[in-house]
Amino acid sequence: KAGVTQTPRYLIKTRGQQVTLSCSPISGHRSVSWYQQTPGQGLQFLFEYFSETQRNKGNFPGRFSGRQFSNSRSEMNVSTLELGDSALYLCASSFGGTGDTEAFFGQGTRLTVV
Amino acid sequence: TQLLEQSPQFLSIQEGENLTVYCNSSSVFSSLQWYRQEPGEGPVLLVTVVTGGEVKKLKRLTFQFGDARKDSSLHITAAQPGDTGLYLCAGESFGNEKLTFGTGTRLTIIP
Repeated sequence: KAGVTQTPRYLIKTRGQQVTLSCSPISGHRSVSWYQQTPGQGLQFLFEYFSETQRNKGNFPGRFSGRQFSNSRSEMNVSTLELGDSALYLCASSFGGTGDTEAFFGQGTRLTVV
Repeated sequence: TQLLEQSPQFLSIQEGENLTVYCNSSSVFSSLQWYRQEPGEGPVLLVTVVTGGEVKKLKRLTFQFGDARKDSSLHITAAQPGDTGLYLCAGESFGNEKLTFGTGTRLTIIP
């Protein structure tokens, strides 16, 4: 079966712009989580959506937002981009039930803010 | 806030040597997962351990979950260059489906 698909793979944006990243989970998975990965901070949890509702949230500013659609696809939006937002953004899908959190990751979107 | 500390942060060893990576927390987890991430890719799940004291083997990799469910270790025997990557542990809390990821161990195996 198809894996987790993230688009685009690479993105270059200018400070102050906004960006939308997309994630298509594995069929049947209802949970989608987003992570920011940088060399200095490691894998940082942004938020998790389950059945179109945000179920968990990390410690990121309000410029980072997301949503999930009825087909479980998810988007993440970052507004007013800053240089420090340059990172690999990963999404992961899972069935999302208790004891069923094994995450399947996409290849990520490499965002560069200039 | 639950934290998972991994040690060492970086490890570089010769091919054929053995190594152990640790994942420690002061919190109790219902299960613990290990992932490996290669450059330019997302992390890939290696194993899940769910019972305190559980040991699982995956070829040359041995994973152990601590008796108190607060820590875990990954032991690699006769390391090979293909083992190179970032190893991440992740814990699932009781009653909360959110995964907490560890700080990571970057492993390099020198041919």
